[in-house]
Amino acid sequence: GENVEQHPSTLSVQEGDSAVIKCTYSDSASNYFPWYKQELGKRPQLIIDIRSNVGEKKDQRIAVTLNKTAKHFSLHITETQPEDSAVYFCAAQRTGTASKLTFGTGTRLQVTL
Amino acid sequence: GAGVSQSPRYKVAKRGQDVALRCDPISGHVSLFWYQQALGQGPEFLTYFQNEAQLDKSGLPSDRFFAERPEGSVSTLKIQRTQQEDSAVYLCASSPGPDQPQHFGDGTRLSIL
Repeated sequence: GENVEQHPSTLSVQEGDSAVIKCTYSDSASNYFPWYKQELGKRPQLIIDIRSNVGEKKDQRIAVTLNKTAKHFSLHITETQPEDSAVYFCAAQRTGTASKLTFGTGTRLQVTL
Repeated sequence: GAGVSQSPRYKVAKRGQDVALRCDPISGHVSLFWYQQALGQGPEFLTYFQNEAQLDKSGLPSDRFFAERPEGSVSTLKIQRTQQEDSAVYLCASSPGPDQPQHFGDGTRLSIL
């Protein structure tokens, strides 16, 4: 089955700096890669996603890049703000089959003033 | 409704008791997923419904876990003879179709004493 690894497990940046979170996946048939933000005690919220026919996608301060050959994808947050502090999860899905998401272990991002 | 709704938000049970967790998906969403999230970990897949059909239950950890979605809308996850290792947050997600983005509820935090 699919295995997703995520690094780093914790990340502390100063407000205004950039943050990068990296994930690798094992199943070359995976073709959909969402990112979720989860605040303490809250639901995971979808913040951005990318499909395997695209190499990069951007939404304001958030961008995701995908390297299919290397089987890794990354989340980039620019101009970080205190409200970006949360746990971020990457996930991989092989669409067209059972459609389950396989999640990474999460990155706790702390944005300090 | 506006989002995926889960109840109860918190459930405390004694070891050996049976529990039932409810999920109300977003209206019209065909696909419904259950995930289990242990403390400090990413969500792990339990089971998947498309309408009323349970298409994948490969993630259910034992035969004490049972899920149903009899009318293709509300779903119930039942755990029989609960054990301490069942303590976790149980998340429900729904999507318009099997290959569409999944939207999560706030989860039920289950504590087994």
